[in-house]
Amino acid sequence: SAVISQKPSRDICQRGTSLTIQCQVDSQVTMMFWYRQQPGQSLTLIATANQGSEATYESGFVIDKFPISRPNLTFSTLTVSNMSPEDSSIYLCSVEGAGEQYFGPGTRLTVT
Amino acid sequence: GENVEQHPSTLSVQEGDSAVIKCTYSDSASNYFPWYKQELGKGPQLIIDIRSNVGEKKDQRIAVTLNKTAKHFSLHITETQPEDSAVYFCAASPWGAGGGYQKVTFGIGTKLQVIP
Repeated sequence: SAVISQKPSRDICQRGTSLTIQCQVDSQVTMMFWYRQQPGQSLTLIATANQGSEATYESGFVIDKFPISRPNLTFSTLTVSNMSPEDSSIYLCSVEGAGEQYFGPGTRLTVT
Repeated sequence: GENVEQHPSTLSVQEGDSAVIKCTYSDSASNYFPWYKQELGKGPQLIIDIRSNVGEKKDQRIAVTLNKTAKHFSLHITETQPEDSAVYFCAASPWGAGGGYQKVTFGIGTKLQVIP
């Protein structure tokens, strides 16, 4: 299975600011995903990021709010822009490998 | 799209007892059913999965069963231990073995508490 790390592990941000979350994988992967997990809730897919192409966003999520970069096969970033308290969540990076899906440890974001 | 329902939302069992979590799905094309365990402060960890060509799969104290006709699948944990305490998520996807990735839809989660 892939080993996934995320930075930062947690942050407290003021409304109106932006935060960029980094995801690093220990092996090359084609598909990377970004999920949001609101307190006590399930996992909601934000977007799929393949290297060399634009990210594909799920319904309800837009590029202006959640821009994503995927510069190579082991790294991706998710930016949460113009944050509001409703953006307080855990943001999870995920990858597909050998027919299974793995998750990183998550970034716990609090917006005040 | 796929809809996955999971119950119960919370489950408390005595150490050593069994725990069962049940899920239903709506899309008959789904053929991949993973289960994830999320401990407090950590990301979800894949603990077992099953594909539609089998009805049951076991891994030590954990087993999953699948009834494709009824669109039901379940997680069974035997001889529960305090370290089994976590949130468990079921999921479903049309992601076939050897095929291209298909979106995985998650259930709402079950918070399992094992009481020592």
